[in-house]
Amino acid sequence: DSGVTQTPKHLITATGQRVTLRCSPRSGDLSVYWYQQSLDQGLQFLIHYYNGEERAKGNILERFSAQQFPDLHSELNLSSLELGDSALYFCASSGDRNTIYFGEGSWLTVV
Amino acid sequence: DQQVKQNSPSLSVQEGRISILNCDYTNSMFDYFLWYKKYPAEGPTFLISISSIKDKNEDGRFTVFLNKSAKHLSLHIVPSQPGDSAVYFCAATPYNNNDMRFGAGTRLTVKP
Repeated sequence: DSGVTQTPKHLITATGQRVTLRCSPRSGDLSVYWYQQSLDQGLQFLIHYYNGEERAKGNILERFSAQQFPDLHSELNLSSLELGDSALYFCASSGDRNTIYFGEGSWLTVV
Repeated sequence: DQQVKQNSPSLSVQEGRISILNCDYTNSMFDYFLWYKKYPAEGPTFLISISSIKDKNEDGRFTVFLNKSAKHLSLHIVPSQPGDSAVYFCAATPYNNNDMRFGAGTRLTVKP
């Protein structure tokens, strides 16, 4: 158990809909990251938040947005969903710059 | 932009032999490198790391080598065990920045 909690674990939704994925980082970790893993693809970096502020942005679509709240939990919002958005979305957190710890992921299926 | 590349999508080795997984990077600002291991339906778990001031780091059966001039690192697993079968991701991060980038992963299969 990495200490990073993601909900929901599985989600099925229709095209055009909007979903919110939630992440609770490890206790005390200020950094939260979101990654996307599509079928047979690597881990695509989406976004990094540190203590509520956006620190870095990767290949995140404009239809996607994220935020980190004062209690340090984070949400990834995916809107106008397309079939190609079906993927495993990972949240990770870190307390220092060297190692990040991943949650078990949220499986999103868009039908 | 693929700043971290793992060119071998899969590798199969016999139990007891050495597994060598390779990784190349393009960003000279990267100064810390990590390997993560991922089983199906689980999140990646940290395995081993190396700072750019070193060229080797060892932890039990796992050794990571870094060749900064070639922008290349490798993970050696000796001896390989069936339980090592997983997808291995190489990752890198620049100095003073937690913008960690991952390779596409290499699926290692260790045959009994």
